[in-house]
Amino acid sequence: GQNIDQPTEMTATEGAIVQINCTYQTSGFNGLFWYQQHAGEAPTFLSYNVLDGLEEKGRFSSFLSRSKGYSYLLLKELQMKDSASYLCAVTDSNYQLIWGAGTKLIIKP
Amino acid sequence: DAGITQSPRYKITETGRQVTLMCHQTWSHSYMFWYRQDLGHGLRLIYYSAAADITDKGEVPDGYVVSRSKTENFPLTLESATRSQTSVYFCASSPGQEATNEKLFFGSGTQLSVL
Repeated sequence: GQNIDQPTEMTATEGAIVQINCTYQTSGFNGLFWYQQHAGEAPTFLSYNVLDGLEEKGRFSSFLSRSKGYSYLLLKELQMKDSASYLCAVTDSNYQLIWGAGTKLIIKP
Repeated sequence: DAGITQSPRYKITETGRQVTLMCHQTWSHSYMFWYRQDLGHGLRLIYYSAAADITDKGEVPDGYVVSRSKTENFPLTLESATRSQTSVYFCASSPGQEATNEKLFFGSGTQLSVL
């Protein structure tokens, strides 16, 4: 079966750095997405990786290793507004999006 | 620019009733999707549409019906609501210019409770 694993919840301190991991086992691979979802709101796109390596976008970076079936989202200089759930999603060989259950990130002052 | 809008925002209904959730987008995106989101689960695809008059089942289509007579609208109907359909429903769209491997734009969601 197809599976995406993320930690259920993480806690970090304002101003610090946090890394949210995502591992996947899917039928083929055509890209990996990260979305941010604040409580009671819709998911919004953060990043997309299809090749190995690090993609940096301001305070957020996303890394992919296709050989290991692994990605992480790195958030730097954490702000209270970064408190949200972070969803990892993989596009399989049929271009179907497979979603992880999400990681709830709690930021403490 | 309204983007993608869903209505209603909240809905309470009873088992056995028919319910229709509305989704409207102003971008002329080709692809539209319906997802449900439940605690402990990732987003699960109910139905999707590649263009007007073209719809396909997703992972969890049972008990749901969709139609897409116009590009901008993609309503989702629960023919006879059950308690297991209590969930948050998200409509999403994507331009459809690069197969289906594009980022999604989500509506604000409909929180549905079936009593």
